[in-house]
Amino acid sequence: AQTVTQSQPEMSVQEAETVTLSCTYDTSESDYYLFWYKQPPSRQMILVIRQEAYKQQNATENRFSVNFQKAAKSFSLKISDSQLGDAAMYFCAYRSIQGAQKLVFGQGTRLTINP
Amino acid sequence: ETGVTQTPRHLVMGMTNKKSLKCEQHLGHNAMYWYKQSAKKPLELMFVYSLEERVENNSVPSRFSPECPNSSHLFLHLHTLQPEDSALYLCASSQGYGATEAFFGQGTRLTVV
Repeated sequence: AQTVTQSQPEMSVQEAETVTLSCTYDTSESDYYLFWYKQPPSRQMILVIRQEAYKQQNATENRFSVNFQKAAKSFSLKISDSQLGDAAMYFCAYRSIQGAQKLVFGQGTRLTINP
Repeated sequence: ETGVTQTPRHLVMGMTNKKSLKCEQHLGHNAMYWYKQSAKKPLELMFVYSLEERVENNSVPSRFSPECPNSSHLFLHLHTLQPEDSALYLCASSQGYGATEAFFGQGTRLTVV
């Protein structure tokens, strides 16, 4: 079974600075998807960024980018120019392409933005 | 209005009560999901419905009973719950089971007393 581990329960960063959230996963599959979701105080989970494992190029979405290291099974999220609205819980998630296609989530990292 | 709406937002119930959580999606999706989010634990997938058929039931106790009357609505019927069932229950939908993006509602915060 796949597992996802986020080793940082909490992180904080100064506004306008850059922060990196860590995620590692365990799988025997060669093809899969990885995601970062954001859960603000409103509680609604919002997709931040998505990476297909067969793509070597790291995904980027505006201020959000990932560092995908397939061999190391690492999938970190970098937030540049942090804004107060980035404060939230961030969840890393894994999904198989075949078979059981459910999302497997990590424990989450609470990100605080200091003004 | 968000694409996925859950009601109620908060619910307090006794262990002998019967209540239902409701989820409605306005996105034209055909797959819907129930997740449980407990404190300090990863989100746990409970049920998956695809084209109104249940395709996944992840060893959830029978005191939780899902219902999907059509592709836009999903219910979670609750009966004889335990205090450890207190959690945030999140509904999600996607275009197809296994789609690369799922859209979530804001959840129902359930407290069992």
